[in-house]
Amino acid sequence: EAGVTQSPTHLIKTRGQQATLRCSPISGHTSVYWYQQALGLGLQFLLWYDEGEERNRGNFPPRFSGRQFPNYSSELNVNALELEDSALYLCASSFAGKRSETQYFGPGTRLLVL
Amino acid sequence: AQKVTQAQTEISVVEKEDVTLDCVYETRDTTYYLFWYKQPPSGELVFLIRRNSFDEQNEISGRYSWNFQKSTSSFNFTITASQVVDSAVYFCALSEAKVQGAQKLVFGQGTRLTINP
Repeated sequence: EAGVTQSPTHLIKTRGQQATLRCSPISGHTSVYWYQQALGLGLQFLLWYDEGEERNRGNFPPRFSGRQFPNYSSELNVNALELEDSALYLCASSFAGKRSETQYFGPGTRLLVL
Repeated sequence: AQKVTQAQTEISVVEKEDVTLDCVYETRDTTYYLFWYKQPPSGELVFLIRRNSFDEQNEISGRYSWNFQKSTSSFNFTITASQVVDSAVYFCALSEAKVQGAQKLVFGQGTRLTINP
């Protein structure tokens, strides 16, 4: 069974540009989560999507947004990129969005903002 | 508020030594879930274990064991007879079960474990 997949693996952008990151959950999973792992800041929760809707949001500015498609894949958009947005962005999925469930993570997208 | 503390930022041991990674958590809820993940240099978080707040039995899986103690709010992870392949960053995480709309994991800062040959 395929795990969570993310694309691209690496992304280089310049300040002010927009970045789009993509995630495909494990087959049968309806919930997708996004986390940011910036150097020195640990893993921070960004967004949670379930059944096509945004269910919860972390403490990030509105220029971090996303969506979930009917096939449960998800996209994270970061507008007006800033240098401090450079980080590893990890996507995770779980079966039905219940708090008791395990979140399984993908390999991440490394975003570098120059 | 939820909080997870991994006080050990880095640990370095020689292969075959036993090593324990500490995790202390804070939550106001009576129902919650605790997790351990491993992050090798490739970056992907690998799930190791999930424990719910009602199950205080310790668990052993091969060389890995976990000690959950609600009285001290700790969920420690021990690797017995460590191997070089165990080198990674290990994260402890907490998920509360009853907070509406708060489906997320709160992670500790991670412990970088280096096993030297």
